[in-house]
Amino acid sequence: DAGVIQSPRHEVTEMGQEVTLRCKPISGHNSLFWYRQTMMRGLELLIYFNNNVPIDDSGMPEDRFSAKMPNASFSTLKIQPSEPRDSAVYFCASNRQGLNTEAFFGQGTRLTVV
Amino acid sequence: GENVEQHPSTLSVQEGDSAVIKCTYSDSASNYFPWYKQELGKGPQLIIDIRSNVGEKKDQRIAVTLNKTAKHFSLHITETQPEDSAVYFCAASITDYKLSFGAGTTVTVRA
Repeated sequence: DAGVIQSPRHEVTEMGQEVTLRCKPISGHNSLFWYRQTMMRGLELLIYFNNNVPIDDSGMPEDRFSAKMPNASFSTLKIQPSEPRDSAVYFCASNRQGLNTEAFFGQGTRLTVV
Repeated sequence: GENVEQHPSTLSVQEGDSAVIKCTYSDSASNYFPWYKQELGKGPQLIIDIRSNVGEKKDQRIAVTLNKTAKHFSLHITETQPEDSAVYFCAASITDYKLSFGAGTTVTVRA
């Protein structure tokens, strides 16, 4: 298995622009997570999907952030408009059932907003 | 919500020595405690986990202990090797999916 695949690996954008991060979870996994990692706040859960349905989006920082999972093999995290404080590494992770089982992380997208 | 504190933030050990990382958590309802290792440019990877009905778990050179009364758990790495150099995160979970992570420990193994 190729693991969780995220794209792009790096993204540099100007403030105010729309940014879309993409994730392909491991086949057969029915739970998907988006995390944000920064030096100041560490690893934070942004949103959790189970069977393509958003279950918990309490970690989404603002209305500028939105996430979708149109099918079991694809998810997007969109920031519109982007701000410099959104600069971070964004990770997608997936697992089966979401029941305290191992979460497999992608390699992350390093986002820089200038 | 759950608050997880992790110490130390950095740890330098001589190759072959042991490394110990300690975490405390705030919510006594937490029942799942995984440890993740993150290498440079990669996502975190689970290395070991423990559940609240177990006090200790070992996997080769890695062991984790849990003290539910004191609400703390620790990671022990014995016979450290250069490839153990990485950032290690502890986490605690009350729900079946929401992990609260510690701030991380950067471990450097000196050859």
